[in-house]
Amino acid sequence: EILMTQSPATLSVSPGERASLSCRASQSISSNLAWYQQKPGQAPRLLMYGASTRATGIPARFSGSGSGTDFTLTISSLQSEDFAVYFCQHYDNWPGFTFGGGTKVEIK
Amino acid sequence: HLQLQESGPGLVKPSETLSLTCTVSGGSINSDDYFWGWIRQPPGKGLDWIASIYYSGSSYYNPALEGRVTISVDTSKNQFSLKLTSVTAADTALYFCARQGSGWYSGYFDSWGHGTLVTVSS
Repeated sequence: EILMTQSPATLSVSPGERASLSCRASQSISSNLAWYQQKPGQAPRLLMYGASTRATGIPARFSGSGSGTDFTLTISSLQSEDFAVYFCQHYDNWPGFTFGGGTKVEIK
Repeated sequence: HLQLQESGPGLVKPSETLSLTCTVSGGSINSDDYFWGWIRQPPGKGLDWIASIYYSGSSYYNPALEGRVTISVDTSKNQFSLKLTSVTAADTALYFCARQGSGWYSGYFDSWGHGTLVTVSS
């Protein structure tokens, strides 16, 4: 099983600042990585797939990078609606799909 | 606009079977491009993939749950379902159904239901 580790667990950021979230895979997953945003009481929403391709309707302030084992989700200028929990998920080896433990982005 | 809606009992007794159904609207489950999956989230915790199924009936299971879980599809009703046997308190979670890409490089979940909370308690 490929383990996904996200860091930090909590990120305190002021509105307008930049946030960088990390996701690390226990073995190479090429670019088969997705990012999701989850707000309280809501389902996760797909933000990014293929490590760096924004899903439909996702603002350009969200960007993804990385390949192999190390990945980053960057939010260039945090808006109030971006405070949420973010999860990464690999889909490199079928049928094992695992998610990271999540990073909570909170208001500083 | 694709919509997924979970339904089923919110309370299940220990050792019994959890049964949930996901109804898909605004699109057909009979698509070559997608699998249909279940993911769960224990209260305050992360996401765990449970199982996925293709419209033909081909299915994949999380090895950690294999043996207790069955996923099935009913294309005539545009629905797919989950059964989890011998439940314990550890199976208490918010259960989501979602659409998943079927290609080797598209196994992400791009559309989700709102989720349904299932509590295991006597």
